[in-house]
Formats: sequence, structure tokens, C-alpha cells
Amino acid sequence: DADVTQTPRNRITKTGKRIMLECSQTKGHDRMYWYRQDPGLGLRLIYYSFDVKDINKGEISDGYSVSRQAQAKFSLSLESAIPNQTALYFCATSDKSGGAYNEQFFGPGTRLTVL
Amino acid sequence: GQQLNQSPQSMFIQEGEDVSMNCTSSSIFNTWLWYKQDPGEGPVLLIALYKAGELTSNGRLTAQFGITRKDSFLNISASIPSDVGIYFCAGQFSAAGNKLTFGGGTRVLVKP
Repeated sequence: DADVTQTPRNRITKTGKRIMLECSQTKGHDRMYWYRQDPGLGLRLIYYSFDVKDINKGEISDGYSVSRQAQAKFSLSLESAIPNQTALYFCATSDKSGGAYNEQFFGPGTRLTVL
Repeated sequence: GQQLNQSPQSMFIQEGEDVSMNCTSSSIFNTWLWYKQDPGEGPVLLIALYKAGELTSNGRLTAQFGITRKDSFLNISASIPSDVGIYFCAGQFSAAGNKLTFGGGTRVLVKP
């Protein structure tokens, strides 16, 4: 079974609709992240959470919100979707940093299309 | 914010060829990472570099952390068809926690 799962895997929606993307992990990691991927731009950080009570904005948080329901669950919401939010969205997890880099493990992605 | 320029944006490989790609940054990083993304999947870590000048190998992959801490390269030797995918460099600066800055990716394709 996958350690980091994302639902749905694909979603097509209309402008103005509210959308929630969900991420679950069984790795027992404290840290979780949401990224979006656009062609040629790599992955850009939307929000990250270092534990259940710690939520932080990333590079491109406008138009998004998140909820860390439990250590294992981190949801991303688009309150009112717009076409330029069409992208591939990835959730990732990592253990607490002990100084050196702690590997981030990525989910399989959610392809979101906003018409 | 920090910018990572990754080149080339895409390349074609022929089986058996060596290929290379690189990343340059406007700022220094403490850690450089190289990820690979296969179609329909999330990125998977290939190599992590923790020290300026470090040269690290993982099978047919070799990566180096530049002396200036602002660049890194990845070489793939004797490429095979399963090397196709998108390769991303990423940098991390320890004062920024565990946050990563990603390059735009290099798409590796097989020559027709």
C-alpha cells in the first residue's frame, strides 16, 4: 500500500466551485506539504504544516487554504476555483529535521482542471 | 524569492549515451537534491548532497554540489529507456526549515 495517498487523482470542475483535495499518510511523519506543479516551473510550495497545530503559508498561498485534521491528514481547499489553478497538485511528508535534510516523500498527485 | 534555473528544459537520449543536466541558483543552498518523476507519479529522491564540492553516485547517476553552493549537476551514464521522465533539482537552505526550492525540470525523452 502507498505511504502517501491523494484523493481524488483527477478532478474537473468549473470556475467558482469549492474544491477539496485530500492527503493521507501512513509514514508517521509530523511534517506535511502541498505543492503545485506547472510545466516548466517545477514544484512550488503552497502551504506546509510542521505539526497539527502549525500551519504556514508557502510561496503561492493566495486562493488556497488548508486544514490539518490529524497528524496523518492534510487537506487543501480552493474556495472559489479559477482556471489558472489548473495544475498537478502534490502532497508530501517528511520527518522532523535533525539538522541535515529530511527526505520529502511525495504522493501520486491530483490533476485538477478548472474550466 | 530564490530562483533555480535548470537546463536543459528537455533532451533526447539514445540508449547507451551519457547525459547531463545542471541547476544554478541566485542564492546559496546548504543541501542540493535531485528528484525524478515518472508519468503519473510523484517525484522520488535520487541523490542528496550536503557539502560544497561533494560528488555522490547512485548506480549510473552522479551528482555534484558546486563549490560556490549555487549550482549542481547530475550525470546519467549509459542511459537506458527507463531513464525517461522529468528530473528536478531542488535546494534547501537550513534557515528556511525543510522547505525546498525546485528547478523547472528537465524532461528526458527517448530519440525516435
